[in-house]
This record gives sequence, structure tokens and C-alpha cells, in this order.
Amino acid sequence: SQQGEEDPQALSIQEGENATMNCSYKTSINNLQWYRQNSGRGLVHLILIRSNEREKHSGRLRVTLDTSKKSSSLLITASRAADTASYFCATDRSETSGSRLTFGEGTQLTVNP
Amino acid sequence: DTGVSQDPRHKITKRGQNVTFRCDPISEHNRLYWYRQTLGQGPEFLTYFQNEAQLEKSRLLSDRFSAERPKGSFSTLEIQRTEQGDSAMYLCASSFRLAEMVPNEQFFGPGTRLTVL
Repeated sequence: SQQGEEDPQALSIQEGENATMNCSYKTSINNLQWYRQNSGRGLVHLILIRSNEREKHSGRLRVTLDTSKKSSSLLITASRAADTASYFCATDRSETSGSRLTFGEGTQLTVNP
Repeated sequence: DTGVSQDPRHKITKRGQNVTFRCDPISEHNRLYWYRQTLGQGPEFLTYFQNEAQLEKSRLLSDRFSAERPKGSFSTLEIQRTEQGDSAMYLCASSFRLAEMVPNEQFFGPGTRLTVL
């Protein structure tokens, strides 16, 4: 069963705007990861945030994690048409990290040129 | 290309037939994972290996499914007596497990899309 739930399910914005996607999960985690999936391609790892971290940045990406609310958000700033993809959060729940990932259902982001 | 590769990329089969997929991980990676993804959903974990040992299997992995990683390098996933409900994208991922409690990212292959008629 899916642990994560992304919100919104679909998001359409104009190029240059910021995009925010949210993820909620149900159990305690070791870390949370965000992946991107383009149509017809495999998943690409974007960023990993550990359970003891609250915020992390990577280029135009900003991830926050609130373990008390069991939620995370992914912000993409200054979006580009190439950012059009499905975005998934994935949680690693194991005490000894590095095993299975539990993915949410994803947010479909469309960036219009 | 030194990424994760999967073969075949597409497979169409008739119900009741057996199919086998192959995954070649990144060469220095000791962990290999199989996931299944249906349309509009996120990937669901099936099983994973550390070297040649299969350490965890999901309840999704019925007795018709079997996975192997005989030499700790490539892996195969076999589905026997396929059913229409097996139609999905089968994704393979690999990672390098350095030490316990060190989180690591998984690198995914392009997937094998299975269609069962």
C-alpha cells in the first residue's frame, strides 16, 4: 500500500512561476526522498532529507520536512518547461536505512511555456 | 552508459505464459531492488537483494513471481502463468550500501513495460 500521499495530484503553471508539491505519510521514517519521472523514462533522484533535518536545498529545489506533522514539501523555483514531469515522494522507514522505498501516488506537474 | 539497464523494454505476452526480465545494476552497487508501477500510481516495492542474498519480499510478490541475483551482479524477475493484472511497468533500481544508518539514493532503470493480453 502507498504510504505517501501527494497533493495536489496535478498542477499546471506558467514558466517562471514557482511550483509547490506536498507529501504526507503515516509512519515514522528514517529519510524522505523526492524523485522525478518524465513520460516514458525511469525515475530520477532529486533530493534526500533525513528525519533529523528540517530543510534542504539543491539548485532550484527546496525541500522541507515536518516530522511532527508527517509531511514534506518540494518547492521548484523559477520553473521551466523541462520541469514538466511526475514528482514522487518516497519514504524509507527502516531503522537500518537503505532498504525499501514506499512511494506516494505522485503529482503531475505541467509547466507551460 | 553506466546506468541501470533493463531488458526487454517492452514485453507483450498472452495470459498464462511465463516471462522473464533482466536488470543490470550499476557495477559497484551491492543492492538491487525491484518495483512495480501501474498507470497513474507510484512504484510499489517487490523485493531487494544485497549482493546475492534476497533480504526482503513484499506481500505483492505472489508465488508466481521469483527473483534471483545469482552472482550478485545482474538480476532476473520471472513471472509464471501471467495474468492480466500483472500488466505494469517493472522497475529495477540499485544502490551502494556503505554502512548501516547511512541513507542512500536508489538509481532506477528505464523499466520493462509488460502487457498481458
